[in-house]
Amino acid sequence: QSVLTQPPSVSGAPGQRVTISCTGSSSNIGAGYDVHWYQQLPGTAPKLLIYGNSNRPSGVPDRFSGSKSGTSASLAITGLQAEDEADYYCQSYDSSLSGPGVFGGGTKLTVL
Amino acid sequence: EVQLVESGGGLVQPGGSLRLSCAASGFTFSSYWMHWVRQAPGKGLVWVSRINSDGSSTSYADSVKGRFTISRDNAKNTLYLQMNSLRAEDTAVYYCARDSAQWLGAPLWYFDLWGRGTLVTVSS
Repeated sequence: QSVLTQPPSVSGAPGQRVTISCTGSSSNIGAGYDVHWYQQLPGTAPKLLIYGNSNRPSGVPDRFSGSKSGTSASLAITGLQAEDEADYYCQSYDSSLSGPGVFGGGTKLTVL
Repeated sequence: EVQLVESGGGLVQPGGSLRLSCAASGFTFSSYWMHWVRQAPGKGLVWVSRINSDGSSTSYADSVKGRFTISRDNAKNTLYLQMNSLRAEDTAVYYCARDSAQWLGAPLWYFDLWGRGTLVTVSS
């Protein structure tokens, strides 16, 4: 069981908007630690998608956005495209663990 | 080209050992904190270990503490993970990942560059 909780799956039609939630606790997201998001296309390594809650690395389309509030964070994808079909992971830091680099369990995005 | 390339994975029996390597190129390897992250087949990402830029500070997930050792050779631009007393539950693709913290005294705990991974299978 992951320290950060994500829905196992979400889906949407091309052009639609979807959101993926990431719920933590007072020792990670709620303690003020940043949330980061990764996209993992089938058979490939993860790729940094959002860092510091809402910042996009160079080259990431502005269709992807992140936000954080309280003990949760969200990734929003607008104008859904077929190539967005992938697994998405949130990640943060947890002060209560000796292994502090915690990930969510991942969310499979299906583009209908 | 900026990249990380892992090697050293393979099939090993329970209780055995394996050393993974991660060759870095295209950037100043010695200035970055580095991590190992693993992914069991069909499962999610799990952080394993991290090391600071000069190799003097390390930390581990509880699941591998005492069995795995992270190290680096900045002269060879290479990160290592020595894995001992391997168990079936260590079966995974192991990724090396670069922390975004460059020339900093603490990691930022997000990973802006990943290798393609190397598969470790622990089975008799």
